[in-house]
Amino acid sequence: DVKVTQSSRYLVKRTGEKVFLECVQDMDHENMFWYRQDPGLGLRLIYFSYDVKMKEKGDIPEGYSVSREKKERFSLILESASTNQTSMYLCASSSSRRQGLSNYGYTFGSGTRLTVV
Amino acid sequence: AQSVAQPEDQVNVAEGNPLTVKCTYSVSGNPYLFWYVQYPNRGLQFLLKYITGDNLVKGSYGFEAEFNKSQTSFHLKKPSALVSDSALYFCAVRGVILTGGGNKLTFGTGTQLKVEL
Repeated sequence: DVKVTQSSRYLVKRTGEKVFLECVQDMDHENMFWYRQDPGLGLRLIYFSYDVKMKEKGDIPEGYSVSREKKERFSLILESASTNQTSMYLCASSSSRRQGLSNYGYTFGSGTRLTVV
Repeated sequence: AQSVAQPEDQVNVAEGNPLTVKCTYSVSGNPYLFWYVQYPNRGLQFLLKYITGDNLVKGSYGFEAEFNKSQTSFHLKKPSALVSDSALYFCAVRGVILTGGGNKLTFGTGTQLKVEL
């Protein structure tokens, strides 16, 4: 079964810590995305990547960075965690190929609920 | 720019009754449209998509959606609701023509569906 795996379901970190959220996909997808989800605000795009070592800012990149050294792995980094980064973080991937079942739709991971105290 | 509107934060329906969750979109050219469902503390799961062809699209768990180009709508429907359908539903859109890397989907803010006995 194809999937996107996020390394942690729940995470508690202290203010000022450097936090790494890991995401791995096994579908050979070119595109990977990081979103945060907050009540009433829906999904907001933080960063995305359409190729290895490529990254682009989304709508809310401040306070975050990303790394994509291998095609299957996309990491989100909180350089210095703050309480306003407490949120649900969702990773997703998609294919750029027109053929296949995806037709550009996303496959999501299960999410990481991060609490910064 | 592309956008999605889900005008209802919450929809309440009795079990066995039909349900509709509304979605309207704005995009340049022809759209790719998607519905996703999210259960508590989980990632988003794909329900159905409209790419081309019949305006009535059938998806998972008995859900269907009707594409209406003139009204730029893609409402999610189910003839008979179940309590287990209670979840958060997201509509998403992207244009057919690639405008840049990443194949980004734009999501609505979500509609909470509550099905009661």
